[in-house]
Parts: sequence; structure tokens; C-alpha cells
Amino acid sequence: DAKTTQPNSMESNEEEPVHLPCNHSTISGTDYIHWYRQLPSQGPEYVIHGLTSNVNNRMASLAIAEDRKSSTLILHRATLRDAAVYYCIPHTGANSKLTFGKGITLSVRP
Amino acid sequence: EPEVTQTPSHQVTQMGQEVILRCVPISNHLYFYWYRQILGQKVEFLVSFYNNEISEKSEIFDDQFSVERPDGSNFTLKIRSTKLEDSAMYFCASRRGLTTNEKLFFGSGTQLSVL
Repeated sequence: DAKTTQPNSMESNEEEPVHLPCNHSTISGTDYIHWYRQLPSQGPEYVIHGLTSNVNNRMASLAIAEDRKSSTLILHRATLRDAAVYYCIPHTGANSKLTFGKGITLSVRP
Repeated sequence: EPEVTQTPSHQVTQMGQEVILRCVPISNHLYFYWYRQILGQKVEFLVSFYNNEISEKSEIFDDQFSVERPDGSNFTLKIRSTKLEDSAMYFCASRRGLTTNEKLFFGSGTQLSVL
């Protein structure tokens, strides 16, 4: 599995944008980059995924570097409910499982 | 949106006892998983299941663990003789297909406490 590096934690103010970075320099050309999050006392929840182009959905945007060695999850207006651990996970086609790292803990200040 | 459901939400058991954790995956999904998370630690893969057999298992998934899809809707994880270190949150997950484009849907978990 491709190795990922994320900061341990980040703080944001409510209603402000948040940019959560992830380095995945060993990612292979066919791996999608998935982002999941885990709210307190809940199971992981899908956020977004992409391959090469930037992606948008109702939850977030995903900006993928041109060399695909890094990506950034963008929450356009953080809410208190967005406080969670966010995981960046390259999905290797050879395996069906997702491998979770430590993720980045996002705190949102009111 | 469809959900993966898990029961019970909490299970307390004595060391050495057998426990069965139950999951109902999303109905048109074909691939099923169990993960666990010990308090304060990472979410760890245990096992994947497809076409009524184990596809992959981790080192954690030893002979004390087994999985079953008994009736086409439920997906169970059995721990034959629980140990204190089995105390964790156990998550079931399912996905429709196997491509890297498919997302995984997780249940809300069963908190297992072994006394």
C-alpha cells in the first residue's frame, strides 16, 4: 500500500475554509485517492475520491497535485459537525481493503 | 442513503466466552469487511469476504475469529474465546464492487468490552 503522511492535527474557525493536506509520494498511477472521516464515536464515513482531476461534491472538494504525490481536502465552510479525524487513503487496485493511517484530527472552534 | 446496520451497539462479555457480532450490509453489495479500532488507535483491517469465502485476512484474524454470511443478508463475526485484548469497537463495512473507484460504507460499530 502507498504510504501517506498527514499532519497530526489542525484547527479551524467555524464558517471558514479548511485545507487538509496529504502526501502520498509512492502512489501508483492507477490508485484512486480516497478521503474518509470519522466523527467521534462513529464509523468511518466516505467523503470524496479522485484520480487526477480535482473533484467536488456536496461535502468537500479534492485538489490533486499534477504529479499526484499530494492532495488537499477542502472544506469550504467548516461547521462544528466537521470536527473529526480525516483519513487520506490511496486505494491500491491489487487489494480490495482500505488501509487506514492515523489521519488528521480537525478541531473546529465556534 | 442506504446504511450498513450493526447489532448490538454494545456487548459486554466475560473473558473466554464466545461472542457473535452481527451486521446487515447494503442489499446490492457484494464485498464485506470487518475492521476494529482499539480505543485511541487506528482503524485496523480484520477480514474481507466475497462469494461466501474469505478473500483476505490480517494477522489479527487468527483461529479464534470466524465470519459467516448465513442467510444472504446477515454477515457475522464470531470470536470463539474472547480475550481482554479483544476489547475494541468493531466495524462492519460493505461495497458494491471491487474497483478502486468504489467507496466503502461502514456501520456505526459494536463496542465490545471483555471483562
